[in-house]
Amino acid sequence: EVQLVESGGGLVQPGGSLRLSCAASEFSFSYDWMHWVRQAPGKGLEWVARIKTDGIEKNYADSVKGRFTISRDNAKNTLFLEMNSLRPEDTAVYFCVRDAVLGSGTYSHWGQGTLVTVSS
Amino acid sequence: QSALTQPASVSGSPGQSITISCTGTRSDIGNYNYVSWYQQHPGKAPRLMVFQVNYRPSGVSDRFSGSKSGNTASLTISGLQSDDEADYYCSSYTGSRTVVFGGGTKLTVL
Repeated sequence: EVQLVESGGGLVQPGGSLRLSCAASEFSFSYDWMHWVRQAPGKGLEWVARIKTDGIEKNYADSVKGRFTISRDNAKNTLFLEMNSLRPEDTAVYFCVRDAVLGSGTYSHWGQGTLVTVSS
Repeated sequence: QSALTQPASVSGSPGQSITISCTGTRSDIGNYNYVSWYQQHPGKAPRLMVFQVNYRPSGVSDRFSGSKSGNTASLTISGLQSDDEADYYCSSYTGSRTVVFGGGTKLTVL
């Protein structure tokens, strides 16, 4: 069974940094685009970033561009999201998602999410 | 990167059919068939229900169907059941090589 397990969330002050990880298993991680999607408390889903299979092509939402960096380690089947200059509006559950169709945003599998809270 | 437009809420009685619309632009829904629909129950991760406009993943009931006309996609749920009560989100690939979601629709089964 495909598994995506996020970690690294927590409470951070505005302007601080966090690094999220997502451990993937039971599928060919290196063959799939991967994304991060977030959901603020009581709000809808918001796309954050995506990364191609080889880790070279990356795209970001305007709301996080220049502050967040997506990366992957195919040897360790792990996806990352480095978050800097965090703002209160970045408070959300962050989901690691597997893209089943070539970076198109077809999310066949989701992690359980990790909560990031930005507050002083 | 404006969000796709969905109605905030829809409702129906058990056994009835409902349709949720999702309106975008020529830069997303209107130009790509990468439209997906997700179901989310409270406190749970979303679940893929329809992809590429009108395809269902294995295990999803054929009561769920998708369609698209111009810049608007739709999700129809027939034979409503109590367990269908959830939030539903549409999404689309965009010409900016990003993904955009709708604001979500709360489905209430009366």
